[in-house]
Amino acid sequence: DTAVSQTPKYLVTQMGNDKSIKCEQNLGHDTMYWYKQDSKKFLKIMFSYNNKELIINETVPNRFSPKSPDKAHLNLHINSLELGDSAVYFCASSQGDRGLGETQYFGPGTRLLVL
Amino acid sequence: DQQVKQNSPSLSVQEGRISILNCDYTNSMFDYFLWYKKYPAEGPTFLISISSIKDKNEDGRFTVFLNKSAKHLSLHIVPSQPGDSAVYFCAAKGGSNYKLTFGKGTLLTVNP
Repeated sequence: DTAVSQTPKYLVTQMGNDKSIKCEQNLGHDTMYWYKQDSKKFLKIMFSYNNKELIINETVPNRFSPKSPDKAHLNLHINSLELGDSAVYFCASSQGDRGLGETQYFGPGTRLLVL
Repeated sequence: DQQVKQNSPSLSVQEGRISILNCDYTNSMFDYFLWYKKYPAEGPTFLISISSIKDKNEDGRFTVFLNKSAKHLSLHIVPSQPGDSAVYFCAAKGGSNYKLTFGKGTLLTVNP
């Protein structure tokens, strides 16, 4: 009963393809996030949804489009994949009350390699 | 612009000794700080946190210290165990902002 799960765990694809990564949380949280960990190992926020509403949208190419069908799911679709998109993508969730004590819980990551 | 800095990319300690991991931040709006632990091929796991109204928080072998005037926090692990070997990330958030800002991580190796 994984709290935050992602599929697939590994994704190898060619440049120019379109791919999706799925995330689900069973913690009953209201807020979900996508992070990218690049080759320099920085974990950077990309998007966040609270109750299916986009609340954080960092400077990310518009080839990346998050979709939240319900508050337990946040999927990431990437169009026209580029070599620089190769990274580990982490999904996370939190209660979403924004107060002190707000802790984010992470999924296992999706390792994307664009060839 | 790195708002959260972990200047030591790696740290090696002997089993049973103390591990001290350091983190500095520049944004004075940050008021909540977290430490995450990450094993290879896994996601970060929440370890311990501290709010800016405190200067110390303890949970078992793990203690986080916050020095607001120096914009510095540290994680102490006593005694260190080989299973503690992992990458440790410092993270911070400010006010009602959902966004967590992470440091680059410190790889801790605890030698038996």
